[in-house]
Amino acid sequence: GQQLNQSPQSMFIQEGEDVSMNCTSSSIFNTWLWYKQDPGEGPVLLIALYKAGELTSNGRLTAQFGITRKDSFLNISASIPSDVGIYFCAGQQNAGNMLTFGGGTRLMVKP
Amino acid sequence: DSGVTQTPKHLITATGQRVTLRCSPRSGDLSVYWYQQSLDQGLQFLIQYYNGEERAKGNILERFSAQQFPDLHSELNLSSLELGDSALYFCASSAPTGAGESGGYTFGSGTRLTVV
Repeated sequence: GQQLNQSPQSMFIQEGEDVSMNCTSSSIFNTWLWYKQDPGEGPVLLIALYKAGELTSNGRLTAQFGITRKDSFLNISASIPSDVGIYFCAGQQNAGNMLTFGGGTRLMVKP
Repeated sequence: DSGVTQTPKHLITATGQRVTLRCSPRSGDLSVYWYQQSLDQGLQFLIQYYNGEERAKGNILERFSAQQFPDLHSELNLSSLELGDSALYFCASSAPTGAGESGGYTFGSGTRLTVV
């Protein structure tokens, strides 16, 4: 089946540092999404990207839809303790289809 | 509150048993998706329903089945449970999509299944 390779698998950073994570795929996706999962909760949508090359921000978060449509990255600037959690990328080929998720990046922030 | 309701929140049962997990989608959403998340693993797609009909199937075991009812709530049935079935099971829903917008899912809080 389709696979999304997400890296890094985990990061342990100091509060205030910037963070970058990315996802690559062997398949083309027409939509890329980034989710965050807090412990014991379901994933929550952070950013959705619909066009190749698109760069979208949501507060301290910035995500880009790769021009080849096979990759995406997420940056978090000036990290804070509440950024702790697992971040998942997800790709969708067409509207109404299932999402394929990456393996997740576990972010830990040291105050 | 995401608007997607999953019950029960926790379930502990013995091997060989059968359980039913329930999901009520967000108001207006027609699609329901079921995902399995094992410990420290990603989200594995199980099955999708759209307006009562099965639309897509992922790596769902034959021991597992699901359905979506006329009121759009969905149930995931897991039978002949094994220790390895212990996981978080998430339901998500999505809205009918308009042209040019795919839309993400809205997830419920999950059901944590422990098989002992």
